[in-house]
Amino acid sequence: DVKVTQSSRYLVKRTGEKVFLECVQDMDHENMFWYRQDPGLGLRLIYFSYDVKMKEKGDIPEGYSVSREKKERFSLILESASTNQTSMYLCASSSYNYEQYFGPGTRLTVT
Amino acid sequence: LAKTTQPISMDSYEGQEVNITCSHNNIATNDYITWYQQFPSQGPRFIIQGYKTKVTNEVASLFIPADRKSSTLSLPRVSLSDTAVYYCLLTYNTNAGKSTFGDGTTLTVKP
Repeated sequence: DVKVTQSSRYLVKRTGEKVFLECVQDMDHENMFWYRQDPGLGLRLIYFSYDVKMKEKGDIPEGYSVSREKKERFSLILESASTNQTSMYLCASSSYNYEQYFGPGTRLTVT
Repeated sequence: LAKTTQPISMDSYEGQEVNITCSHNNIATNDYITWYQQFPSQGPRFIIQGYKTKVTNEVASLFIPADRKSSTLSLPRVSLSDTAVYYCLLTYNTNAGKSTFGDGTTLTVKP
């Protein structure tokens, strides 16, 4: 089975902190994605990557950056966390057929 | 990416067939139609994907008319465990399969 793991299920950070969310997939997938999910707003794409060191902005990239130094790992970085970034963050990966496999999610609370 | 429109919610009873229709009037030539299922506190899970006509797998069928401006997910003989949010989205078959999730349909299956 494809496995996508995320570094934390729950995370609490303070306003202004730098936050790293890590995602690892074990199926040698080319593509990786970061979404956030908020009540009433569905899943929104933050960034995606189609190869090592390659990235593209999604629909809501403001306030976020990403890093993909190895094929299996895709990191989401909040340079200076703010309360409006409190959300559920979901990582996904996909291969050539574009079926996305999602991780369990990280519920981030910024206080 | 073109937007999809689907009903906000649907109710059904155990053992019934459920059909969820999705509208995507501005679908592009390169777009595939993909459906995901999401349970509370979990990431979405791929159900089925198609380009045209009919696709069937072990859990669902997907019907796509010739103009591709809509699609219907069919779940045969639903059970209580099928209670979930179902997302219809268009997957661009290049650009890493970038997808835009809509608001989803909350399906509630009653005993």
